[in-house]
Amino acid sequence: NAGVMQNPRHLVRRRGQEARLRCSPMKGHSHVYWYRQLPEEGLKFMVYLQKENIIDESGMPKERFSAEFPKEGPSILRIQQVVRGDSAAYFCASGIRDRENIQYFGAGTRLSVL
Amino acid sequence: AQSVTQPDIHITVSEGASLELRCNYSYGATPYLFWYVQSPGQGLQLLLKYFSGDTLVQGIKGFEAEFKRSQSSFNLRKPSVHWSDAAEYFCAVGPFGNEKLTFGTGTRLTIIP
Repeated sequence: NAGVMQNPRHLVRRRGQEARLRCSPMKGHSHVYWYRQLPEEGLKFMVYLQKENIIDESGMPKERFSAEFPKEGPSILRIQQVVRGDSAAYFCASGIRDRENIQYFGAGTRLSVL
Repeated sequence: AQSVTQPDIHITVSEGASLELRCNYSYGATPYLFWYVQSPGQGLQLLLKYFSGDTLVQGIKGFEAEFKRSQSSFNLRKPSVHWSDAAEYFCAVGPFGNEKLTFGTGTRLTIIP
């Protein structure tokens, strides 16, 4: 059973470009979470999605950031008009609908904005 | 609001020595507590979790953690560390069910020969 797959592993963008980060959850998992890790900091929650629904986006910046988890295909975190402050590691986690709230993490996408 | 404090940013331990990493949490209800480990350039791997019951929980790689409600703590321990344990360790708290996790800022563990 493959784990959570994120791609690309590394992404370099120039200021003003768009960044698209993809996350394929573990087989059978219907919940996806995105977290951001800034240098020397812990992970900060961004958004929680189920198929075709955003459940909690309380951690998403109000502008330029969006996320989706379509019925088919991976979850996408999209950052428009990137700025240097967006440089970070972005982690996706997936889980199932149960009490235990165990989240399984991917290896992350490291975004560098030049 | 929930929060997690890991007071030790960096700890250095000799190989074979014992280890304790501290974690304090603030949470309004019964917390679900987790310890994750992150090796350089890698994602997070779940070491152990506490939901209820026995306050001493066993995890993978020989780690254990003890939940102390009176101290709002969930410290991670290992009796004898190995060089491969060098990594960043994160404590996290979450509510019952599918919700976001709140992470501490992490403790970086260095192992010396």
